[in-house]
Amino acid sequence: TQLLEQSPQFLSIQEGENLTVYCNSSSVFSSLQWYRQEPGEGPVLLVTVVTGGEVKKLKRLTFQFGDARKDSSLHITAAQPGDTGLYLCAGRGQAGTALIFGKGTTLSVSS
Amino acid sequence: NAGVTQTPKFRVLKTGQSMTLLCAQDMNHEYMYWYRQDPGMGLRLIHYSVGEGTTAKGEVPDGYNVSRLKKQNFLLGLESAAPSQTSVYFCASSWGYNEQFFGPGTRLTVL
Repeated sequence: TQLLEQSPQFLSIQEGENLTVYCNSSSVFSSLQWYRQEPGEGPVLLVTVVTGGEVKKLKRLTFQFGDARKDSSLHITAAQPGDTGLYLCAGRGQAGTALIFGKGTTLSVSS
Repeated sequence: NAGVTQTPKFRVLKTGQSMTLLCAQDMNHEYMYWYRQDPGMGLRLIHYSVGEGTTAKGEVPDGYNVSRLKKQNFLLGLESAAPSQTSVYFCASSWGYNEQFFGPGTRLTVL
């Protein structure tokens, strides 16, 4: 069974601080996605990474896929209150399998 | 486009009652999914479908049944609700095993 471990589970920071969220597994994934979920809504896709070592940037968010495609990280620079939410990583194993979700990181950014 | 819609938004059941959750998507997606989300557990896949008339079990299928009679609809049934099925249920759809688009969720309480 493939598992994705996310850390930390909770993160509470001040506006302007930087943070990193980690998503780790002992299994290899063909691709990995990051979703963001706001209270009372469904998750929304932020990015998909496919190639080992790949780095993608989305404004103040930087996503990295590990060289071995077993882990990923999400780094937020100068966090803002609008970044508050639940961040979920989701990996796809062998071709043709459904996504496996991590348990999520709840981020709270206060002004 | 409405995207993915779910009916109802909220429901309270007594133990042993049955109900059906309806998911509809207007994006012509082949793949549809049902997840449940519990605090600290992330998203867990209940059942999914890769096309009209086909369904498959996910990680936590026990106590649930599904049907995909029309491409745009995916129904989740609880034949005899139990308190352990109290959760927030999310439906999602996708083109193949790519980005998943989520509905707003159904909050179910079983007393």
